[in-house]
This record gives sequence, structure tokens and C-alpha cells, in this order.
Amino acid sequence: DTEVTQTPKHLVMGMTNKKSLKCEQHMGHRAMYWYKQKAKKPPELMFVYSYEKLSINESVPSRFSPECPNSSLLNLHLHALQPEDSALYLCASSPQGIVTEKLFFGSGTQLSVL
Amino acid sequence: SQQGEEDPQALSIQEGENATMNCSYKTSINNLQWYRQNSGRGLVHLILIRSNEREKHSGRLRVTLDTSKKSSSLLITASRAADTASYFCLGGGSNYKLTFGKGTLLTVNP
Repeated sequence: DTEVTQTPKHLVMGMTNKKSLKCEQHMGHRAMYWYKQKAKKPPELMFVYSYEKLSINESVPSRFSPECPNSSLLNLHLHALQPEDSALYLCASSPQGIVTEKLFFGSGTQLSVL
Repeated sequence: SQQGEEDPQALSIQEGENATMNCSYKTSINNLQWYRQNSGRGLVHLILIRSNEREKHSGRLRVTLDTSKKSSSLLITASRAADTASYFCLGGGSNYKLTFGKGTLLTVNP
């Protein structure tokens, strides 16, 4: 299995909702990443987990809460989001922690906040 | 900022032509990676060049790296309509900030 799987593919939520994005990989990779991408912009790094520990938090607002329950699974919990948080959320993984030679990306979750 | 910057930001060519896009970066890297993204999808790793390499080929892709100028170029030869996508560079290595460049939107017209 050489895939990073993200669910759901699309999500619409209100500003008072709580929802979660899920990312899964079964390649034995030891680092997992969340990126946020607005239309016509590059992906922006949000969080990195390396060996199941949060290694990088790029000053992301607390309404985004990452979780790494095990080495194969990465969640992003969403709470009280704003319309400007609407974006494509991409999960990625890499084999050997944050020593980056190749990132493997999922197809993303397109999030709309109403 | 360690962010790479690609130019041009948009490129439109005819099928069969070559497409060249450039990336500049500001700090030391161990490698430079190029990715492709089809509209609204995830990124796909295309090719990696290490800091001690000057040129690398993979199929129709040719990438160069000039560490003295902190720049890289990606050449796609004999382009096809299916090459239409956004292309991003990323500096790699343990201390690099995992920040993508601004990207080049390539449109290949049939």
C-alpha cells in the first residue's frame, strides 16, 4: 500500500460545528504532516508529527487541534472555524522522520466553512 | 524566509514544446525537490536533486541545481496536455523549513 488516504474528500461546516479530518498511511512512515492550501497558493505547513510526537506547530490557531493516535493515523480536529479557514487541507507523510527527501501526499479534504 | 520562489508564475505553451520553470531559495539545503499538483488534488513528487549534484534526468524531466546561485530549474521536454498542472519546488533536509515555493501554473494547449 503506497497511498495516503484522507477522509472526507469534501466537508461543509458551520462556524459552531466540531468536525475532524482523518489521514491514514500504511507505508510505515514515521513523519506525518498537515498542510493548508488556499486557491492559487502553495501549500502552507501547519503541523508535523515525527515518531508520533508533535515536532512542528507553525503558530496555528488553537481552533485547529492535531492528534496522532498511532504511527499510521493523523487527525485534525476542527472547532469554531472561521470562513477564512475554507481551504484544501492536505496530509502528507515521509519515511524517515523530518529528514525530507520525498513527501507522499493524500488527495486532500476540501473544507468550506459557512 | 526560506521559501522557494518559482518563475514564471504562469506559463502557457503548445503541445510538443518544452517548458522551463525556475526556483530560487534563500538558505542552504540538502536537496531540492519538485512536485506536480493537478487542480484541487494532492501533490506528486517528481524528482529530487541533491546539493552535490548539478543535473539529473528522469524520463522527460531534467532538473538542474546551482547552489552558488541558490536556484534550480525544471525542464519538461515534448510537453503533453496531461502535463497541465501547477509545479512547486521544495527545499529538503533536516533543517529546512518544509516550505514550498509559490509555484508555476503550466498550461499545455493541445
